[in-house]
Amino acid sequence: GENVEQHPSTLSVQEGDSAVIKCTYSDSASNYFPWYKQELGKGPQLIIDIRSNVGEKKDQRIAVTLNKTAKHFSLHITETQPEDSAVYFCAASLGGGSNYKLTFGKGTLLTVNP
Amino acid sequence: EAGVAQSPRYKIIEKRQSVAFWCNPISGHATLYWYQQILGQGPKLLIQFQNNGVVDDSQLPKDRFSAERLKGVDSTLKIQPAKLEDSAVYLCASSPQGHEQYFGPGTRLTVT
Repeated sequence: GENVEQHPSTLSVQEGDSAVIKCTYSDSASNYFPWYKQELGKGPQLIIDIRSNVGEKKDQRIAVTLNKTAKHFSLHITETQPEDSAVYFCAASLGGGSNYKLTFGKGTLLTVNP
Repeated sequence: EAGVAQSPRYKIIEKRQSVAFWCNPISGHATLYWYQQILGQGPKLLIQFQNNGVVDDSQLPKDRFSAERLKGVDSTLKIQPAKLEDSAVYLCASSPQGHEQYFGPGTRLTVT
């Protein structure tokens, strides 16, 4: 089955700096890669996603890049703010028919220091 | 639009007891998922429903876990009997069609 590795496990940055979280996946057939933000006591919130036919996607301060050949994808957050502090999860999905099972990484605890 | 609703939010039980969790997905979402999230890890899929049929339950420990989705809307997940290692957050997610999954707040289960 699919295996997703996520690095780093913790990341501390100063407010205004950029943050980068990286993930690798094992199954070359995976075609959908979402990123979730999880705050303490809450469920994961979808913040951005990318499909395998796209190399990069941006949404304001957040961007995701995908390298299908190397089987890795990354989350980039620019101009970080204290409210960006949370655990971020990457995931991968094979997605086909009616089965869109997500396989998650272990998460990155991002701390943005004021 | 209302999000995914789950109850209860917290539950403490002793090992060998039974427990049930309830999920109400976003209106109109045909697909419903139950995930288990152990502390410090990412969510792991337990079961996926498409309307009221099971699509994937390959990672559901069927000797103690069961789930149903009557009438293709609400769903319940049951554990009987519970073990210490079942302590986790149980997340429900729903999807209209395709990939995007939207999660509820979860139920934190502590088994003592």
